[in-house]
Amino acid sequence: EAQVTQNPRYLITVTGKKLTVTCSQNMNHEYMSWYRQDPGLGLRQIYYSMNVEVTDKGDVPEGYKVSRKEKRNFPLILESPSPNQTSLYFCASSLSPPGPLATGELFFGEGSRLTVL
Amino acid sequence: AQSVTQLDSQVPVFEEAPVELRCNYSSSVSVYLFWYVQYPNQGLQLLLKYLSGSTLVKGINGFEAEFNKSQTSFHLRKPSVHISDTAEYFCAVTGNQFYFGTGTSLTVIP
Repeated sequence: EAQVTQNPRYLITVTGKKLTVTCSQNMNHEYMSWYRQDPGLGLRQIYYSMNVEVTDKGDVPEGYKVSRKEKRNFPLILESPSPNQTSLYFCASSLSPPGPLATGELFFGEGSRLTVL
Repeated sequence: AQSVTQLDSQVPVFEEAPVELRCNYSSSVSVYLFWYVQYPNQGLQLLLKYLSGSTLVKGINGFEAEFNKSQTSFHLRKPSVHISDTAEYFCAVTGNQFYFGTGTSLTVIP
């Protein structure tokens, strides 16, 4: 089954304790992206990746890191989490990067709800 | 740059009544337009998309949307809603990235 898998789905942690949210897709998609969803703010992009070893900042990258060493995986790293990073996080992928020749949609994981105390 | 505005943050509607969720976008280039739905405790899934051609686009679950270039709108409609349509709906546009609106929470009242 084609899917985007995120882990963990739920996590409660404390300020400053490093954590990683994993994301894996089995569709051989080139483009992957991380979003955070907050009430009243919709989806905001954190980081994205056009392909292996190619990553770039989105709209709200502060406090986050990513890596893309393999095509299927795109982990989100919080080196020193803070309470303002409490949010619902979504990983998404698309066959090709968005642009004038790309007509594909994003496929989303089920989300990871993170609480930082 | 592209941006998306969803004018209504919450829309309550009675079961079997029609509904329209509004979406306006701004862009200086040609764009593709999407509507996504998020059911409680789930990720987003595609409802429908406009790429080119007919301005009336039909999607899953009886939803449709109309692309209006002159009004830069892409409103989502359903003639008769069901309880199961209760969800968050996001309008999105692509240019060099995917841009999402802030979402509209649709609540269907029995």
